[in-house]
Amino acid sequence: KNQVEQSPQSLIILEGKNCTLQCNYTVSPFSNLRWYKQDTGRGPVSLTIMTFSENTKSNGRYTATLDADTKQSSLHITASQLSDSASYICVVSGGLSGYALNFGKGTSLLVTP
Amino acid sequence: KAGVTQTPRYLIKTRGQQVTLSCSPISGHRSVSWYQQTPGQGLQFLFEYFSETQRNKGNFPGRFSGRQFSNSRSEMNVSTLELGDSALYLCASSLSGTEETQYFGPGTRLLVL
Repeated sequence: KNQVEQSPQSLIILEGKNCTLQCNYTVSPFSNLRWYKQDTGRGPVSLTIMTFSENTKSNGRYTATLDADTKQSSLHITASQLSDSASYICVVSGGLSGYALNFGKGTSLLVTP
Repeated sequence: KAGVTQTPRYLIKTRGQQVTLSCSPISGHRSVSWYQQTPGQGLQFLFEYFSETQRNKGNFPGRFSGRQFSNSRSEMNVSTLELGDSALYLCASSLSGTEETQYFGPGTRLLVL
């Protein structure tokens, strides 16, 4: 069964600190992996989308890494800001049907002053 | 460019009723996907429409249906509502499919009493 597991489930950090969120998946075959940020009461917003050949992709203070061999991805947030408080969702595209989107349940991040 | 819009934003229905939700994609986007989001299950894929045809479907009962019009606008219908259908329903659009970055609307929050 194709699965996407995210950790930690929730995280609290001080403003200005860095943090790393994890995503492990079993989806096969793999097509791409995306990280979304979802603010409370809003729809998800795409941060990065990575294919098999990409190891690292950055979007401002957000840097995603992908290790397709170990089927792991991480999202690193640098110099966190209060506005980073949100849910971060990992989505892996792939599977036998090709177009299936497999969602993690998200990591809830709270950045405190 | 205007983003993805969804109407209504909030809806309260009773068990057994039916509901229709609407989604207007970003201009030029021909792919529209629908998702259900609940605290327990996270994001789950309902279906994708492209050029007025359902191209992919998630694992939901037949009570959930949709359609897409020639202007790419899409509607989702849920018949015989159940308490468990209470959720945030999100619509996402992209140029040509779920394999690329999708842009989400703000969602319709449905409460079934």
